[in-house]
Order: sequence, then structure tokens, then C-alpha cells
Amino acid sequence: KQEVTQIPAALSVPEGENLVLNCSFTDSAIYNLQWFRQDPGKGLTSLLLIQSSQREQTSGRLNASLDKSSGRSTLYIAASQPGDSATYLCAVSMEYGNKLVFGAGTILRVKS
Amino acid sequence: DTGVSQDPRHKITKRGQNVTFRCDPISEHNRLYWYRQTLGQGPEFLTYFQNEAQLEKSRLLSDRFSAERPKGSFSTLEIQRTEQGDSAMYLCASTLGSTDTIYFGEGSWLTVV
Repeated sequence: KQEVTQIPAALSVPEGENLVLNCSFTDSAIYNLQWFRQDPGKGLTSLLLIQSSQREQTSGRLNASLDKSSGRSTLYIAASQPGDSATYLCAVSMEYGNKLVFGAGTILRVKS
Repeated sequence: DTGVSQDPRHKITKRGQNVTFRCDPISEHNRLYWYRQTLGQGPEFLTYFQNEAQLEKSRLLSDRFSAERPKGSFSTLEIQRTEQGDSAMYLCASTLGSTDTIYFGEGSWLTVV
């Protein structure tokens, strides 16, 4: 059974800092991995999607890496801003079009 | 079309009552998913449809839960004889079959009192 773990559970940083969020999964035979953002009481917004054959994806100040063999992914946020404050969730899919298995998320607070 | 739409956004019900949630996916998205999320946890998969066919149901979906997607368009999730443990946010999501990007709705909050 696939299990996804995210560390740390919560993180508070001053504005402008670069930061790294970690995600690990137990079964390395994944199809893809996605990072999502969730604002309080809201739905999820997809940030980055990495196919199993890829090593990283970038979008603006965000960079996600994937090391499938070791079962790890990181989300790097450069020059953090207060607007980045949210919960960040990592999820893996085991096959095309199939369900996602989520971690519990990292709650990020960026202080101004 | 602006995204996945869910209704109602909030529902408070007494234990034992039935509730129904509706999801309207993005037009032309053939896959539709239901997830449940409790406070401090990530979403958990409940079920998904490809067009009108329900392809997989989680063990979390007890006999009191039923989901439909008539004609492969909108979907409904019904919970019968609600229990306090059903209190959660119910999230709907959809994807177009040819891509992996998934779009979530804003969720439907259920509180069972």
C-alpha cells in the first residue's frame, strides 16, 4: 500500500527566504507525482506535475525534483512571499488516470 | 467554463439524515473523482468515473455512500443515515483523459450534529 509522508508538518519563515519542502513515498513504482497548494477552507490548485521519467519541473519561483528510486521529492520555493502562505500537498499516482495518494501536507507561513 | 463547481458549499445536518452533494466538472473532462478530506489530513480517494462508468470505489465508501454520474456529465454523492464521523470536506475533481493535470473544486463541507 502506497504511503506518502511530508516533512516538516509546519514551517514558518521570514519573507525572502528560500525554503524546501520534503515528500517521501514508500512504493517507487509511481506514474507521476504532483504538488498542490491549498488555501484554508478551499480546494486544491495544482502547482507542478512530474512524470516518472522526469527529474524536475519548474514554474516561476517553484522547482520540484523527483528521485523515484529513493522515493523522494522536494519542492523548492525561492524568495518566499507572504502570499505563499498555504498548505502544500504532495500526491502520487500509480498509473495513468488513476487515483492520487496524498500526504498530510506542510503548512507554510511566510512572515512579512 | 471557469472550473469544477460543487454544491452546496456548506451543509449542516442532523445525524441520521441523508445528504447529497453535486459536482459539475469542467466541460469535456471525461474523468471525475471524489475525495474526502478531514482537518489536518490530505484528501483520501473515494471513487472515480470515466464518463458514466464508475471504475473504482475505495473501501472508505461504505454501503451508506453512493455516487452516480448519469450521462457522463455532472455527478452526485449521496450519504445516507449520516454519522458524526462523516463530517469532512468532500472534494470533486476532474481531468481530461489525454492529460494528467487534475482540477479540484472548492469542496463541500459537511457537518453532522
